[in-house]
Amino acid sequence: EVQLVQSGAEVKKPGESLKISCKGSGYSFTSYWIGWVRQMPGKGLEWMGIIYPGDSDTRYSPSFQGQVTISADKSISTAYLQWSSLKASDTAMYYCARQGSALGAIDYWGQGTLVTVSS
Amino acid sequence: DIQMTQSPSSLSASVGDRVTITCQASQDISNYLNWYQQKPGKAPKLLIYDASNLETGVPSRFSGSGSGTDFTFTISSLQPEDIATYYCQQYDNLPHTFGQGTKLEIK
Repeated sequence: EVQLVQSGAEVKKPGESLKISCKGSGYSFTSYWIGWVRQMPGKGLEWMGIIYPGDSDTRYSPSFQGQVTISADKSISTAYLQWSSLKASDTAMYYCARQGSALGAIDYWGQGTLVTVSS
Repeated sequence: DIQMTQSPSSLSASVGDRVTITCQASQDISNYLNWYQQKPGKAPKLLIYDASNLETGVPSRFSGSGSGTDFTFTISSLQPEDIATYYCQQYDNLPHTFGQGTKLEIK
């Protein structure tokens, strides 16, 4: 069974750093893209970026380029989303999601990680 | 970025009704269009891929059509469990942008 299991909810202060994770299982982790999708409170879905763990090829939405870092450790089938300096506007639910090798539909989603940034 | 415009943004319908949501792309995306369902407090779920293909296990009352810039998502007979927000997403060009969503409620 394909599963994407994300790390737990985080509460951080502005300016702090954070790295959240997404562990894949039940499939070949290096053969599918893993992407990240943001959902701010009460709002819609925003595609942030994507990584191919097989060769670490990473693509970002221009809206998120330079704001976050996406990485992966294929040895432990885990992808990451990282911030160096959080802002209150980063408060959101973040989903990891699997896309096929041809960058098609998102067929599996993680359960989401809620990040709250507040002083 | 390709802009995806969904309409309506919200919709109220009765059980058994036929429901239609449209999605318009700002440029030609061929059939590179997906539809997702998101229930409150849950992750989205893929319903339709490549504009018209039903994902395995999804009830046949859901369907999609269209190509180029104009797409349609239809629920042939609305069920109470279909209450959710529905999103289209293009994957012709990066970033793979979503529509703003259509919130579906029971009348």
